[in-house]
Amino acid sequence: DAGITQSPRHKVTETGTPVTLRCHQTENHRYMYWYRQDPGHGLRLIHYSYGVKDTDKGEVSDGYSVSRSKTEDFLLTLESATSSQTSVYFCATSDVDSEQYFGPGTRLTVT
Amino acid sequence: GENVEQHPSTLSVQEGDSAVIKCTYSDSASNYFPWYKQELGKRPQLIIDIRSNVGEKKDQRIAVTLNKTAKHFSLHITETQPEDSAVYFCAASRASSASKIIFGSGTRLSIRP
Repeated sequence: DAGITQSPRHKVTETGTPVTLRCHQTENHRYMYWYRQDPGHGLRLIHYSYGVKDTDKGEVSDGYSVSRSKTEDFLLTLESATSSQTSVYFCATSDVDSEQYFGPGTRLTVT
Repeated sequence: GENVEQHPSTLSVQEGDSAVIKCTYSDSASNYFPWYKQELGKRPQLIIDIRSNVGEKKDQRIAVTLNKTAKHFSLHITETQPEDSAVYFCAASRASSASKIIFGSGTRLSIRP
């Protein structure tokens, strides 16, 4: 599975609390992505990174921020979680002009 | 903005029959079209992809066709088997850029025994 791990795998948190999800890869891929998956919406891109300290917004970036200080790690932060951010979050990586490999996912519940 | 539409959202076929899933895309500069399969509780995994310089690609029971003029592409699964039951996602991107991929909303395929 391309050496991609996500932590935590499950999290329950309360509205208004900050949450950070971590994606770690051992493939030395240049690109990393964060998606959320909700019924009827497929996979929607939140943010992506095309190199260390280089990130850009996806289609549903409001309420989320990211950081990439090392090639292998891509962090997704919800500054103040809301119930609408309850979802399954997938990290993915790819090299130049290649397929995306997905992590195992993180199920986040905001109560 | 860029958009990928996928139909149908659910599909049920008899084991052994064929299944077809169709997608359209809006960004005329898209040149890379992957298809992902996601089994229940698992991560999406690439099953086949096609680039804009070809019109069709086959891999055993799976084939994908691309019509760049009409901006649509399709996944064809022949001789369906129970293990084909899953959610399938189409996607489109400009592969030469930062590889940002836009996904369709998915098709839940069920194979009836």
